[in-house]
Amino acid sequence: DTEVTQTPKHLVMGMTNKKSLKCEQHMGHRAMYWYKQKAKKPPELMFVYSYEKLSINESVPSRFSPECPNSSLLNLHLHALQPEDSALYLCASSPRDSDYGYTFGSGTRLTVV
Amino acid sequence: AQKITQTQPGMFVQEKEAVTLDCTYDTSDQSYGLFWYKQPSSGEMIFLIYQGSYDEQNATEGRYSLNFQKARKSANLVISASQLGDSAMYFCAMRRRTTGNQFYFGTGTSLTVIP
Repeated sequence: DTEVTQTPKHLVMGMTNKKSLKCEQHMGHRAMYWYKQKAKKPPELMFVYSYEKLSINESVPSRFSPECPNSSLLNLHLHALQPEDSALYLCASSPRDSDYGYTFGSGTRLTVV
Repeated sequence: AQKITQTQPGMFVQEKEAVTLDCTYDTSDQSYGLFWYKQPSSGEMIFLIYQGSYDEQNATEGRYSLNFQKARKSANLVISASQLGDSAMYFCAMRRRTTGNQFYFGTGTSLTVIP
């Protein structure tokens, strides 16, 4: 299995809703990442997990809450989002110490209404 | 601070022709990795090619090659024999080995292949 699987692929949520994005990999990678990408822009790093521990939080608002229950699974819990949070949310994983690139999921397209 | 520059917001190329996408980077690190990713409209980021800062030979992967000029801090992507399926956004990225392995992405180049 050489994939990173993200669900759902599309999500529409209201500003008062609570939802979660899920990311799963079975490649034995011990680093996992959440990125946010607006249209026509590069991905922006949000969080980094290394060996299931949060190692980097790029000053992300608390309405985004990451969780890494085990080495294969990464969640992003969403609560009280704003319309400007609408974006493509990409998950990626990599071996902890590697010269090679990330493996990205296909992303979740989030629309906040 | 690390910085990746892609000066071509949009490029057009005729099918079956070669095209070069520019990328320059700025770092004081001695050890780093350079990457190119392709992002079709579907959204997935697809890894294309990698070049290590200590690699003496330019990387090649099928129709993709990386023109690495370390002294000039450039890592241009060359796509030979362009195909319609090559139409996508292309991101140059750098990965530092001294930090948490995070990537720094360039602003991207939108490539359109014309039949």
